[in-house]
Amino acid sequence: KAGVTQTPRYLIKTRGQQVTLSCSPISGHRSVSWYQQTPGQGLQFLFEYFSETQRNKGNFPGRFSGRQFSNSRSEMNVSTLELGDSALYLCASSLRGGRSSYEQYFGPGTRLTVT
Amino acid sequence: AQSVTQLDSQVPVFEEAPVELRCNYSSSVSVYLFWYVQYPNQGLQLLLKYLSGSTLVKSINGFEAEFNKSQTSFHLRKPSVHISDTAEYFCAVSVNSGGYQKVTFGTGTKLQVIP
Repeated sequence: KAGVTQTPRYLIKTRGQQVTLSCSPISGHRSVSWYQQTPGQGLQFLFEYFSETQRNKGNFPGRFSGRQFSNSRSEMNVSTLELGDSALYLCASSLRGGRSSYEQYFGPGTRLTVT
Repeated sequence: AQSVTQLDSQVPVFEEAPVELRCNYSSSVSVYLFWYVQYPNQGLQLLLKYLSGSTLVKSINGFEAEFNKSQTSFHLRKPSVHISDTAEYFCAVSVNSGGYQKVTFGTGTKLQVIP
C-alpha cells in the first residue's frame, strides 16, 4: 500500500505570495491532518479534515486554510506569505474508525522557504 | 486540555549503551500514547503505541515504552543503542474530543548516538 505523498517536496516563495501544498493520504484513510514544524516552535497542529469537513483547528491565523476533496486528498493554502512561514509542512493521514484509527501516518513533508 | 512534556531536548549516548527518553503527559480523560521517530529530512514514523491492555509495548527494532498511569508517564527505552538510532523522537497523546481524536505532540528529543 502506498504511503502518504506530499507535493511539492521543496518550495521557495517570496514574501506576499501565496502557496498551495498537496497531500494524498493512504488509500482508505479518510482523515488528513496538517502540521507545521520549525526549529523554534517544534511540531504545531494546523488543522484536520475528515470527510471534506474541517474537524479540528490549531491556533494559526486565517492566512492558513485548507480543504479536502471527496477522494480524501487535501490541500493547504497559505496566503500573503511571511518570512516566519518558512517551515517543514507535514501531512498525516489516519483511518478515523476503530482502535487502529488513532495512529497517524506521515508524509515526507514539504519544505517551504520564504525569502 | 491535554499536554505532553519531553524534558530532554537532546540526549547524547554512546553506542551500545542504554537510553531512556522521558515523556510525561497531562490529561483529565483517558489517553492513547504514541512514540514517533523522525530521521533527518523525513516525516515522522510511528515507533510504538499504547491503546489498551499490557502497559509495556515494544517496537520491532528493540525500543520499548511503559505506560505508567499513576506517574502519567510513557518513557521510551532501549537497552543498547545503535548509530542508526540517531534521530528525533516525539511523544504524542491522543484524547477523545467531541467524538474525534485530538493529538498533541511533545517538543521532541534529539537522540545522538556517539560511536
